[in-house]
Amino acid sequence: EAQVTQNPRYLITVTGKKLTVTCSQNMNHEYMSWYRQDPGLGLRQIYYSMNVEVTDKGDVPEGYKVSRKEKRNFPLILESPSPNQTSLYFCASSPDRDYEQYFGPGTRLTVT
Amino acid sequence: GQSLEQPSEVTAVEGAIVQINCTYQTSGFYGLSWYQQHDGGAPTFLSYNALDGLEETGRFSSFLSRSDSYGYLLLQELQMKDSASYFCAVPDNYGQNFVFGPGTRLSVLP
Repeated sequence: EAQVTQNPRYLITVTGKKLTVTCSQNMNHEYMSWYRQDPGLGLRQIYYSMNVEVTDKGDVPEGYKVSRKEKRNFPLILESPSPNQTSLYFCASSPDRDYEQYFGPGTRLTVT
Repeated sequence: GQSLEQPSEVTAVEGAIVQINCTYQTSGFYGLSWYQQHDGGAPTFLSYNALDGLEETGRFSSFLSRSDSYGYLLLQELQMKDSASYFCAVPDNYGQNFVFGPGTRLSVLP
């Protein structure tokens, strides 16, 4: 089954404790993205990757890191999480930027 | 920079037709997409318009006017399951990153 998976689905952590949210797709897509979704603000892109070893900032990259060492994986790293990073996070992939994006199920992160 | 505007809420009754508008300002234009998101779920792709005109997919249609920087999603024969949030989205930054509108919450009443 073609899908995007994210782990964990839910995470409660404390300020400053490094965490990684994994994202994996099995569709051989080149384009992958991370978004955060907050009430009233829609989906905002954090980082995107056009291909392996090619990543760039989206609209809200501060406090986040990503890597793309393999085509299928695109982890999101919060090295020192803060309460303002409490949000719902989605990973997405697509064959190309212009094509439909397939979203993972989401990760609800709470930073206390 | 980029910005997209959508109405925040729309309400309609079952069987009716509803139109959700989207206006955009982007650095270059590469197409307008629409996504649906049910409460607690992930966004799912509905349609994509790169050229002016109407694209029809079953009960849903999407329209684009590049000269007006405007598009809309048309939902016909509304069903209760269409109650969801709808987002328009465009590639920006000369086609590099992706920007979503704030979303329109559609409530379908019996």
